[in-house]
Amino acid sequence: EDKVVQSPLSLVVHEGDTVTLNCSYEVTNFRSLLWYKQEKKAPTFLFMLTSSGIEKKSGRLSSILDKKELFSILNITATQTGDSAVYLCAVPYSSASKIIFGSGTRLSIRP
Amino acid sequence: KAGVTQTPRYLIKTRGQQVTLSCSPISGHRSVSWYQQTPGQGLQFLFEYFSETQRNKGNFPGRFSGRQFSNSRSEMNVSTLELGDSALYLCASHPRGESTGELFFGEGSRLTVL
Repeated sequence: EDKVVQSPLSLVVHEGDTVTLNCSYEVTNFRSLLWYKQEKKAPTFLFMLTSSGIEKKSGRLSSILDKKELFSILNITATQTGDSAVYLCAVPYSSASKIIFGSGTRLSIRP
Repeated sequence: KAGVTQTPRYLIKTRGQQVTLSCSPISGHRSVSWYQQTPGQGLQFLFEYFSETQRNKGNFPGRFSGRQFSNSRSEMNVSTLELGDSALYLCASHPRGESTGELFFGEGSRLTVL
């Protein structure tokens, strides 16, 4: 059965800390792995990863994929209160138009 | 460029009723996907439409249905509502038929079934 598992489920850190969020997957016909941020309602796209070992960066956020070990990590450095959100990992499965999401990691940043 | 628009934003129904939710994708986007989000199950794929045709369907009962119009707007319908149908229903659009990358989500329709 195709699945995407994220850990931890929740995380509370202080502003300025660095966090690492984990995502492991077992998906047939793997094409890509996606990271989304969901603050209130609409998830917003962060990264799409398709190749192992190539880091994607956007400001303080970065992500990398390991296709051999079937996992990805999302790093956030110098966290700010605005980083508080649920971070979702997702993988298209079966066909490119069906996407399976992980349960998410709820990140809370304390000032 | 206007984003994905979903209506209504909030609604309350009682068991046994039916509900129709609407989604207008970003202009030029021809694919629309629907997802159900609940605290227990997370985000789950319902179905996807492209050029008025259902391309894929998730593991939901037949009470869940949808359609897409020629202008790419989509509706989903849930009949004979159950308490467990209470959820945030999210619509996402993407510009091409194949979604290997970014989905553009709407704000969602929060359905409460009493």
